[in-house]
Amino acid sequence: TQLLEQSPQFLSIQEGENLTVYCNSSSVFSSLQWYRQEPGEGPVLLVTVVTGGEVKKLKRLTFQFGDARKDSSLHITAAQPGDTGLYLCAGGRYNQGGKLIFGQGTELSVKP
Amino acid sequence: KAGVTQTPRYLIKTRGQQVTLSCSPISGHRSVSWYQQTPGQGLQFLFEYFSETQRNKGNFPGRFSGRQFSNSRSEMNVSTLELGDSALYLCASSPAFLYEQYFGPGTRLTVT
Repeated sequence: TQLLEQSPQFLSIQEGENLTVYCNSSSVFSSLQWYRQEPGEGPVLLVTVVTGGEVKKLKRLTFQFGDARKDSSLHITAAQPGDTGLYLCAGGRYNQGGKLIFGQGTELSVKP
Repeated sequence: KAGVTQTPRYLIKTRGQQVTLSCSPISGHRSVSWYQQTPGQGLQFLFEYFSETQRNKGNFPGRFSGRQFSNSRSEMNVSTLELGDSALYLCASSPAFLYEQYFGPGTRLTVT
């Protein structure tokens, strides 16, 4: 059972465009993390959000945790070729320690 | 601070054999989690160890096992390898009671 649904699964855009990736669930999570992964490497943590309605900004990336803590979004402004990669959302729960539930990922390709 | 290290990075085994993968967490991190990543299933949680005890376990058969040593280093073992065990095996470490997980580069296991 896939508890976290990411959309879109694939995204190919031109440099300078904006994009949003969505991560949705019918379940509540205590925290939501976003990772970026490049081929042959492990995921790299981008951000963790823990409060419903929380918004975090990292340069051109904006992350939001839904009010009900069931969904999240990642918005990239003025995408660059260096943003290319697999973006993963992952949910965690207080009573499950280090166990994370991952979405299936969004493959982003930014063309110059 | 050095990141999570995993050895070996690549491994080729034959069906029926067993394999042991190693993970050294970030210094000071006491929680170590293991994940399997495949194109079809994405990232799936295997198990988590904290202070040498298995704290959480995913839905994998008993052929998959792990352990953690007093210095927080961890190993996972897969016995009686099957073709379907071919995957990228990722180790992640985390500070106690926090959600951020930091991943190593992974071990690419190919079963022939």
